[in-house]
Amino acid sequence: NAGVMQNPRHLVRRRGQEARLRCSPMKGHSHVYWYRQLPEEGLKFMVYLQKENIIDESGMPKERFSAEFPKEGPSILRIQQVVRGDSAAYFCASSPRLNTEAFFGQGTRLTVV
Amino acid sequence: KQEVTQIPAALSVPEGENLVLNCSFTDSAIYNLQWFRQDPGKGLTSLLLIQSSQREQTSGRLNASLDKSSGRSTLYIAASQPGDSATYLCALAGETSGSRLTFGEGTQLTVNP
Repeated sequence: NAGVMQNPRHLVRRRGQEARLRCSPMKGHSHVYWYRQLPEEGLKFMVYLQKENIIDESGMPKERFSAEFPKEGPSILRIQQVVRGDSAAYFCASSPRLNTEAFFGQGTRLTVV
Repeated sequence: KQEVTQIPAALSVPEGENLVLNCSFTDSAIYNLQWFRQDPGKGLTSLLLIQSSQREQTSGRLNASLDKSSGRSTLYIAASQPGDSATYLCALAGETSGSRLTFGEGTQLTVNP
């Protein structure tokens, strides 16, 4: 049973481009969480999804950011028109059910140049 | 709103020393508390998870305690080794937030040979 898989591990984008970050949860996990870690800061919750539904997006910036978790395939965190301030490590976690331990992926490190 | 504070922000100790990392939180309505380890440029490794009904958990040289009434948790590391050098993160799941975690800013530990 592979762990939470995130790709790419490193992503470089120029200002104004789009960034797509992928997260494949552990087998049997239907709950996915995205977190962002800005340089020299702690991890901050962004969004919580179940299959095909956004449950809680209270930590997501209102503009340029979106997330989805389709019935088939990985969860996608999409950042449109990236700016330098989006440079961060983005972590995905998954859990099998509500209120159970969440397991983290290795993260995607986004650099905007 | 839950706030999590970790003290100290950084700690440097000689090899072999026993040490304690502290985590405090403002809202005692938690479902569980988790300690993670993060190595530079890497993902999160779960060390210990304590359910709200538990007082402590042990794994090898690590012992984590939880005191909900005072809003505190400690991570005790016995006989520290250079390989323990990393950032240690405390994270809480609230009673109504599912598996969503609120993180502290971490304690950066350096164990000197």
